[in-house]
Amino acid sequence: AQKVTQAQTEISVVEKEDVTLDCVYETRDTTYYLFWYKQPPSGELVFLIRRNSFDEQNEISGRYSWNFQKSTSSFNFTITASQVVDSAVYFCAPDCLNQFYFGTGTSLTVIP
Amino acid sequence: GAVVSQHPSWVICKSGTSVKIECRSLDFQATTMFWYRQFPKQSLMLMATSNEGSKATYEQGVEKDKFLINHASLTLSTLTVTSAHPEDSSFYICSARPIGGLAGGWETQYFGPGTRLLVL
Repeated sequence: AQKVTQAQTEISVVEKEDVTLDCVYETRDTTYYLFWYKQPPSGELVFLIRRNSFDEQNEISGRYSWNFQKSTSSFNFTITASQVVDSAVYFCAPDCLNQFYFGTGTSLTVIP
Repeated sequence: GAVVSQHPSWVICKSGTSVKIECRSLDFQATTMFWYRQFPKQSLMLMATSNEGSKATYEQGVEKDKFLINHASLTLSTLTVTSAHPEDSSFYICSARPIGGLAGGWETQYFGPGTRLLVL
């Protein structure tokens, strides 16, 4: 991937609301992987989800779900029933040709 | 499994000194390790790709003489910030890609917890 756009710089939601984080990427590769990472204030990256480019099946894992649309190069991530502990910066990261390209990040604040 | 450690987690040094940061894969071997830098409220930027037994590949704009990378074994890569200056203060994160892949597959990188560098 050559470019990753996370248009939402900051999002604030009230606890228990659902929130969707958007990600659009550009790549010339036909095979790649897509990741979402969470970075809490401590700084350590927390792996959330991974999809490959040839599997567009969208899934749900607990409170997390994602919508991958290869035709539009979008990989959106949804948190259902948000909690205060979800407050963090979220990065979308395509893995192309053995390199990660991190998006600019979306800072999520969940208000109690 | 698939744990990557970094040492130290925090370092404060005086301007002009050199600082070495270690990145270790604790329970797997990695031919390739990556070094990233993150400034406050910014994204992670890839600095260099480190391959065991060969010279590191640096991204455009990263001074290879200032950021020395050594990948001496399949479980250890080091980043040395030479003659550090205040503008080098940042959060440095490494990642490692397992040989042959683990349950997560060859494409998965595992990230270390990061090292915060403050140069006074």
